[in-house]
Amino acid sequence: SQKIEQNSEALNIQEGKTATLTCNYTNYSPAYLQWYRQDPGRGPVFLLLIRENEKEKRKERLKVTFDTTLKQSLFHITASQPADSATYLCALDRYNNNDMRFGAGTRLTVKP
Amino acid sequence: EAGVAQSPRYKIIEKRQSVAFWCNPISGHATLYWYQQILGQGPKLLIQFQNNGVVDDSQLPKDRFSAERLKGVDSTLKIQPAKLEDSAVYLCASSRRTDNEQFFGPGTRLTVL
Repeated sequence: SQKIEQNSEALNIQEGKTATLTCNYTNYSPAYLQWYRQDPGRGPVFLLLIRENEKEKRKERLKVTFDTTLKQSLFHITASQPADSATYLCALDRYNNNDMRFGAGTRLTVKP
Repeated sequence: EAGVAQSPRYKIIEKRQSVAFWCNPISGHATLYWYQQILGQGPKLLIQFQNNGVVDDSQLPKDRFSAERLKGVDSTLKIQPAKLEDSAVYLCASSRRTDNEQFFGPGTRLTVL
């Protein structure tokens, strides 16, 4: 069966460091992958989308990589700030098959 | 632009009762999604509409859940009858097309007693 795993339930880092979150998948061939941020009591907010033919995408302090051979995406937040503390979700989908799937999320805490 | 609107924000019902949720997507967004998010888990897709047609409802418990998208705009999700395990946040999202970023509403928190 399809499986999406995000590296850990919780990740604690010090302010200024780089946070690296992992999204692994099995029995799935996504056409693209998205990362979302979710704060308590709110809906997810879109951050980045990367397609299967792209290796890397950047947006300000955010960087995402997509390795279809390893079946893995890495999400990096550089120069992390306490305001980056939230749950980060990865989501995978396939063209036409319309098979959107979310991971369980990683709760990131950035300590001052 | 206005965001995705959902109502109600909170609902408490007894098991075996019925409940309905409403979603108004962002204007011009062809794709609408309903998700169920249980505490501590990621959102689970229940149903996806493209305009007013269903493109994916493989994870919708069709014996008790139903959804429609009126005229390709607003949508309602209904649970009848509710079970204890339906307690969750129900999220609505919309996007311009299926391979685009999704915009989520604030969700409806359902508690079934």
